[in-house]
Amino acid sequence: EPEVTQTPSHQVTQMGQEVILRCVPISNHLYFYWYRQILGQKVEFLVSFYNNEISEKSEIFDDQFSVERPDGSNFTLKIRSTKLEDSAMYFCASSSLVQFQETQYFGPGTRLLVL
Amino acid sequence: DQQVKQNSPSLSVQEGRISILNCDYTNSMFDYFLWYKKYPAEGPTFLISISSIKDKNEDGRFTVFLNKSAKHLSLHIVPSQPGDSAVYFCAAQKDQAGTALIFGKGTTLSVSS
Repeated sequence: EPEVTQTPSHQVTQMGQEVILRCVPISNHLYFYWYRQILGQKVEFLVSFYNNEISEKSEIFDDQFSVERPDGSNFTLKIRSTKLEDSAMYFCASSSLVQFQETQYFGPGTRLLVL
Repeated sequence: DQQVKQNSPSLSVQEGRISILNCDYTNSMFDYFLWYKKYPAEGPTFLISISSIKDKNEDGRFTVFLNKSAKHLSLHIVPSQPGDSAVYFCAAQKDQAGTALIFGKGTTLSVSS
């Protein structure tokens, strides 16, 4: 069964450093997403991406964040200058429309720890 | 502001009995509702969904009920099994592909044998 994959599974970085989180969405999906879950809190939407453009973004997704689909398979989230409060699990998701309905399928996540 | 609320942080049920997980929402623009199951250190796994044009959707042991007038949905698991023990998230989405899922805080279900 096709699944969303994410690398790395864990990333430790120093405050102020740039990190790139990588995702390989399900191959025939057209919509791509990033979410995050800070420890003990709910899963929060960051950004959605379709047709090489951002479709929607949340207040969390400020100028420090960017997304890219550099090739036909990868989808990346870059955090330019990490802060302590960026420590969280980051989940990638992908979806496609099936009979006018869309279901988002999630990857296993990348645990980011900013020191 | 909590647009999707799961007011019970935890639920304990005996194996073989019914588990009922509840979810309330405030935004009448939501049109599509989903339940996800999550184990620690894993991503959310899709379980079942329902469109706002329906009031019930069933898939094996899982049934989701939607009461639009009350802005309430529930997930029924019957019979419950120990392997169902996990955190269950309710999520809602507006009727437009590519839009955000808004999650509740989750309910931890424990099924004892």
